[in-house]
Amino acid sequence: EAQVTQNPRYLITVTGKKLTVTCSQNMNHEYMSWYRQDPGLGLRQIYYSMNVEVTDKGDVPEGYKVSRKEKRNFPLILESPSPNQTSLYFCASSLVAAGELFFGEGSRLTVL
Amino acid sequence: QKEVEQNSGPLSVPEGAIASLNCTYSDRVSQSFFWYRQYSGKSPELIMSIYSNGDKEDGRFTAQLNKASQYVSLLIRDSQPSDSATYLCAVKVGAGGTSYGKLTFGQGTILTVHP
Repeated sequence: EAQVTQNPRYLITVTGKKLTVTCSQNMNHEYMSWYRQDPGLGLRQIYYSMNVEVTDKGDVPEGYKVSRKEKRNFPLILESPSPNQTSLYFCASSLVAAGELFFGEGSRLTVL
Repeated sequence: QKEVEQNSGPLSVPEGAIASLNCTYSDRVSQSFFWYRQYSGKSPELIMSIYSNGDKEDGRFTAQLNKASQYVSLLIRDSQPSDSATYLCAVKVGAGGTSYGKLTFGQGTILTVHP
């Protein structure tokens, strides 16, 4: 089954404790991207990757890091989480750059 | 001005009616346009993509694109209660630009179809 898998789905953490949200896709897609969704602000792009070892900033990259060492994986790293990073995070992938996206189920993060 | 704008709604239509959802965008070099549907508590899913001016039909859904006026719309015919969701418009800048990998979403329009 074609899918984008994110983990963890739910996480409560404290300010400053580094965390990683993993994302993996099994569709051999070139493009992957992270979004955060907040009430009233919609979906905002954090980072995207056009291919292995190629990443670029989206609209809200501050406080986040990413890496793309393998085609299927695109983890999102919060090195020192803060409460304003409390949000619902979506990973997505597509065959071509920013094309028709397949979304993961989302990861709800709470930073206390 | 926001890059992609949608009326947040809520838009309420009776069952069987046509629901009309609109989206405007600011970047004239935008080339690809998408409509996603998001049910409450779920992830967005692609409904339609449209790349050239005019209409594109898929079942009960019709996407309309007018690049000169910088708007894209989604029509849902014979609306059903199961169509009740948030509809997200997304716009991608064309190839060659520095923002080629960016896909920008509007805030979404909440649609309610009542029996």
